[in-house]
Amino acid sequence: QVTLRESGPALVKPTQTLTLTCTFSGFSLSTSGMCVSWIRQPPGKALEWLARIDWDDDKYYSTSLKTRLTISKDTSKNQVVLTMTNMDPVDTATYYCARTQNPVPFDYWGQGTLVTVSS
Amino acid sequence: QSVLTQPPSASGTPGQRVTISCSGSSSNIGSNYVYWYQQLPGTAPKLLIYRNNQRPSGVPDRFSGSKSGTSASLAISGLRSEDEADYYCAAWDDSLSAHVVFGGGTKLTVL
Repeated sequence: QVTLRESGPALVKPTQTLTLTCTFSGFSLSTSGMCVSWIRQPPGKALEWLARIDWDDDKYYSTSLKTRLTISKDTSKNQVVLTMTNMDPVDTATYYCARTQNPVPFDYWGQGTLVTVSS
Repeated sequence: QSVLTQPPSASGTPGQRVTISCSGSSSNIGSNYVYWYQQLPGTAPKLLIYRNNQRPSGVPDRFSGSKSGTSASLAISGLRSEDEADYYCAAWDDSLSAHVVFGGGTKLTVL
């Protein structure tokens, strides 16, 4: 079955760079039409899509955050990595990775990882 | 501010039918499918409706979706206490390459 799991630091300091890893199983990111996205949710707030990487290595970023985000994949390890630079307290959120099987977005989600930005 | 507009809250009593609306524009709902996600308290979102009105395996037929023009709706019939959750609509947006936009979410309370 399809599973995704996020991992990374629970606490980062302002101005630091956040690195999150999504480790997945049950599908291959080299299969045509498969994509993995990162989505975040500040406490008590709505979902916000951040970035996506496709089976063919195409990458897409949120317009408002694209200068701070980098997404990459390691197909052999079944992992997708997101880096976000210059972290700020407003970036405190639960970060999810989710699969897209084109054209259906986010058919499977990880359980999420809470990242707090504080000095 | 979310691209898609949902009411912040909705409520109903057990057995009732409730609907949640989602309003967008010609570049998202008006020209693409709508998707709905259910987020139970303390858990990750789960795909509830895809392609406007299709249910993934395991989703009860009490949940249904519809779309008309630049708006969509999620209907829940025979409301149950376990339906208390946040519900989000989403759609691809043609004005934002490869971007999916979300609604602000609707908190459903079962009274």
